[in-house]
Amino acid sequence: ETGVTQSPTHLIKTRGQQVTLRCSSQSGHNTVSWYQQALGQGPQFIFQYYREEENGRGNFPPRFSGLQFPNYSSELNVNALELDDSALYLCASSRDGGGYEQYFGPGTRLTVT
Amino acid sequence: AQSVTQLDSHVSVSEGTPVLLRCNYSSSYSPSLFWYVQHPNKGLQLLLKYTSAATLVKGINGFEAEFKKSETSFHLTKPSAHMSDAAEYFCVVSPLSGGYNKLIFGAGTRLAVHP
Repeated sequence: ETGVTQSPTHLIKTRGQQVTLRCSSQSGHNTVSWYQQALGQGPQFIFQYYREEENGRGNFPPRFSGLQFPNYSSELNVNALELDDSALYLCASSRDGGGYEQYFGPGTRLTVT
Repeated sequence: AQSVTQLDSHVSVSEGTPVLLRCNYSSSYSPSLFWYVQHPNKGLQLLLKYTSAATLVKGINGFEAEFKKSETSFHLTKPSAHMSDAAEYFCVVSPLSGGYNKLIFGAGTRLAVHP
């Protein structure tokens, strides 16, 4: 069974640029959630995708957007990057939207300069 | 609103001694509760979960946690610490509201294990 994978592992961008992060869900999982973990803090929920639709969203501005594809992989897009967007971005997959534990990928470390 | 409070930001123990990481939760109904561990530069690994079955939950690597509704607590314990247990530990609540299961994380407890 293949676990959750994320790419790239590290990324450096300049303020104002746009970035796309990618996530492949674990086999058999149709739900992907994205979290932002700033240095020294717990992860914060960004949004969740279930069967290619946004299923729930945390307190993040619209410049954070996402997609889920028919194979249940997902992208997180961030426009107009700000310095405070520097963080570890974690993707988690689970089954059927609600009620199941989430399995996390290793994360993408984004640095905005 | 759902939330979790991890009562200690840092815990230091000697190898072979017991571990206690404390967590209190706030919820208007019986929540799902989890403990995750994060080793340096790694993703999050699920240690154990509580979903309204047995109140004493056993997890991986010898960890267990007890759900106490009267105290709104979900403390993580291990009888004997190992050097490899050194990591960041997160207590997590899942409100299961609106048909999706976002996870709400505590601020984390950094566990140091000394020889």
